[in-house]
Amino acid sequence: DTEVTQTPKHLVMGMTNKKSLKCEQHMGHRAMYWYKQKAKKPPELMFVYSYEKLSINESVPSRFSPECPNSSLLNLHLHALQPEDSALYLCASSQSGFEGYTFGSGTRLTVV
Amino acid sequence: DQQVKQNSPSLSVQEGRISILNCDYTNSMFDYFLWYKKYPAEGPTFLISISSIKDKNEDGRFTVFLNKSAKHLSLHIVPSQPGDSAVYFCAASANGGGADGLTFGKGTHLIIQP
Repeated sequence: DTEVTQTPKHLVMGMTNKKSLKCEQHMGHRAMYWYKQKAKKPPELMFVYSYEKLSINESVPSRFSPECPNSSLLNLHLHALQPEDSALYLCASSQSGFEGYTFGSGTRLTVV
Repeated sequence: DQQVKQNSPSLSVQEGRISILNCDYTNSMFDYFLWYKKYPAEGPTFLISISSIKDKNEDGRFTVFLNKSAKHLSLHIVPSQPGDSAVYFCAASANGGGADGLTFGKGTHLIIQP
């Protein structure tokens, strides 16, 4: 298995909803990442987990809450989002260094 | 301040010819560079990478050149094929470790014309 799987592929949520994005990889990668990509912009790093510990939080608002239950799973919990949070959310994973740095297909999030 | 710059938003190349995509960076701590290809509504797909100890890396039709003194890298695709039409992102990281995450350029939309 050489893939990073993200679910759901599409999500529409209201500003008062609570939802979660999920990311899974079975490549034994020790680092996992969340990126956010707005239309016509490059992906921007949000969070990095290294060996299941949060190592980087790029000043992301607290309405985004990451969680790494085990070495294969990465969640992003969403609460009280704003319409400007609508974007493509990408998960990635890598082995040591950049070996096998792989992105998932993303979750297209729309906040209404 | 953009640390990774792709100054050409789009590039049109005839099928069979060489495509050259350029990328400049400002952070001298960057020591690992990657190129990704992206189709709409999909995640980026890794193409090729280069570490700062090299000046060239080749993989099939793709070659990446790194000029550290100029803080410039380029991706050559030869020959270009219709399936190469996509947005290409240059990405960089410091300290040789993936755990720092990647900094992306804004991308270049490559269009291969038949």
